[in-house]
Amino acid sequence: SYVLTQAPSVSVAPGKTARITCGGNNIGSKSVYWYQQKPGQAPVVVVHDDSDRPSGIPERFSGSNSGNTATLTISGVEAGDEADYYCQVWDSNSDHVVFGGGTKLTVL
Amino acid sequence: EVQLVESGGDLVQPGGPLRLSCAASGFKFSNYWMNWVRQVPGKGLEWVANINQDGSEKHYVDSVKGRFTISRNNAKNSLYLQMSNLRVEDTAVYYCARPLRTTVITPGDYWGQGTLVTVSS
Repeated sequence: SYVLTQAPSVSVAPGKTARITCGGNNIGSKSVYWYQQKPGQAPVVVVHDDSDRPSGIPERFSGSNSGNTATLTISGVEAGDEADYYCQVWDSNSDHVVFGGGTKLTVL
Repeated sequence: EVQLVESGGDLVQPGGPLRLSCAASGFKFSNYWMNWVRQVPGKGLEWVANINQDGSEKHYVDSVKGRFTISRNNAKNSLYLQMSNLRVEDTAVYYCARPLRTTVITPGDYWGQGTLVTVSS
């Protein structure tokens, strides 16, 4: 089965840039979604189709996807960005939705 | 306004059944694939199942195949998850989720608030 690998945690100072990666075999050929989840809340899509932002999501959030790694980049990190972030793809080989294990972003 | 409201979560004994429901409103329900996603408290997201627009195509994560059945009633704008032979490891918050577009299969921009299923003796 298809596996997505994320680092368990990333820490960044306010105002700096956070990069959260998602590794998967040839993930560049798949469409990647990124979700933000804060405690006690449902996930929210921050990036879809590798690099598109839903309306209402700040431009500080951007995505890229190539080869075996997809990346969510958060520029000018704010305290309110502290959350868990999950990547997700549809694996057409297994007809399964696959989530990464999640990365906890800590704003120092 | 798009809304997804789950219900049916409960405390159930191992081996028991439970049926979850998700009431949809604010969009044309019959045009969308729908998904169930679960999350053990304090852990990550796990996709459980999805179903196409007319209910003719369904997919399940391997750990629930043969035990869970996803279904929908487009006339009632409702999604269901019939769970049987429940295990302790099925304990989780269960979310229903709608894709971003009608042509997309995977969860997307609209999620319910979740309903808690606890499997314990």
